[in-house]
Amino acid sequence: DTEVTQTPKHLVMGMTNKKSLKCEQHMGHRAMYWYKQKAKKPPELMFVYSYEKLSINESVPSRFSPECPNSSLLNLHLHALQPEDSALYLCASSQQGRVNQPQHFGDGTRLSIL
Amino acid sequence: GNSVTQMEGPVTLSEEAFLTINCTYTATGYPSLFWYVQYPGEGLQLLLKATKADDKGSNKGFEATYRKETTSFHLEKGSVQVSDSAVYFCALKGRATNAGKSTFGDGTTLTVKP
Repeated sequence: DTEVTQTPKHLVMGMTNKKSLKCEQHMGHRAMYWYKQKAKKPPELMFVYSYEKLSINESVPSRFSPECPNSSLLNLHLHALQPEDSALYLCASSQQGRVNQPQHFGDGTRLSIL
Repeated sequence: GNSVTQMEGPVTLSEEAFLTINCTYTATGYPSLFWYVQYPGEGLQLLLKATKADDKGSNKGFEATYRKETTSFHLEKGSVQVSDSAVYFCALKGRATNAGKSTFGDGTTLTVKP
């Protein structure tokens, strides 16, 4: 069982739709991450939240909008996506400021853009 | 900057064969090193880690030793099983600036045949 829960598991949306991906963890981790993963590739970092504040945005297009409402929740709001945005979106969390601690990943949301 | 280089795959082995997946890294200072495994349809799971030179991480029969002199963290298992078929990612977390970011290798796909 993963300790990071992502919903939905699958999402199909048109290019004009607005949808949100959700992520939840109850491990007390204060660092949370969004990654994009294409098939047979490593995860690509999109955003990092530290103590509920956005600390890293890896030059992600504005059609992706992250939100961290509290220390347990992380959202990714999607709007006007492109077909190339189809991918597996992974959420992860870790202990803040502890370089020797791993990241804990959810099972991801598989997103398909029509 | 930090980087991780993994041996190219895919790797196909027969059950009970010996496994080595090579991983070398470039980083300033003394990073922590990790191996993650990704089974089909799932997120990444921590397999093992090592946080300082000469540390050996081990889990489920897999081992890797942090070799600072060769900047390597090769993954080994003495006898693989069909259930070990997955994608394996080597990763590091550096000690400079933002300890939250991980750097991943490109991943190695392992297929074990009965």
